[in-house]
Amino acid sequence: AQSVAQPEDQVNVAEGNPLTVKCTYSVSGNPYLFWYVQYPNRGLQFLLKYITGDNLVKGSYGFEAEFNKSQTSFHLKKPSALVSDSALYFCAVRVRQTGANNLFFGTGTRLTVIP
Amino acid sequence: SQTIHQWPATLVQPVGSPLSLECTVEGTSNPNLYWYRQAAGRGLQLLFYSVGIGQISSEVPQNLSASRPQDRQFILSSKKLLLSDSGFYLCAWDRGDYNEQFFGPGTRLTVL
Repeated sequence: AQSVAQPEDQVNVAEGNPLTVKCTYSVSGNPYLFWYVQYPNRGLQFLLKYITGDNLVKGSYGFEAEFNKSQTSFHLKKPSALVSDSALYFCAVRVRQTGANNLFFGTGTRLTVIP
Repeated sequence: SQTIHQWPATLVQPVGSPLSLECTVEGTSNPNLYWYRQAAGRGLQLLFYSVGIGQISSEVPQNLSASRPQDRQFILSSKKLLLSDSGFYLCAWDRGDYNEQFFGPGTRLTVL
């Protein structure tokens, strides 16, 4: 079965410090990996994705993520956190298959950046 | 550019009343469409998805139903709401394969 895990419900980081939000996945075949951010009472916004190629992908708002095939991980990172980065973050994995939904979301990690 | 609309933004309904939430997408054709429910600001529960007009797949058995009467229109309905139907409902679209999903602004439903 395809799945994605976000092991931390909550991550706290001081403003200006680097942040990491963790994601691991379990799929059969090559994964397509995504990060989304959700601000209160809003829909999810796409941040970045890994399809193929360079393992380090850069996205919106200074975020980046590193695909690690051996560890089946796709952690979200930012060198210097801002208070405005405080939000709910979702990792998702997509697999190539037809006839059924092929996109699976993690349970989300709430990031709080402390001024 | 593509945009996705949902309405209403908020809704308060009594138990046992009907429900109709609407989602429309502009600027693209033949999108995959999805309905999700999110409880208490946490994870997403996929309710329905559609790959074309009249084609609906249900992920979770419940008292909700979905319809796709037009290519870019997706409707979520219920004949009789339950208290447990309260939540934040999100519509999304994508092009399948390795493409990302785009989400609407959501509808917050409170059933009293």
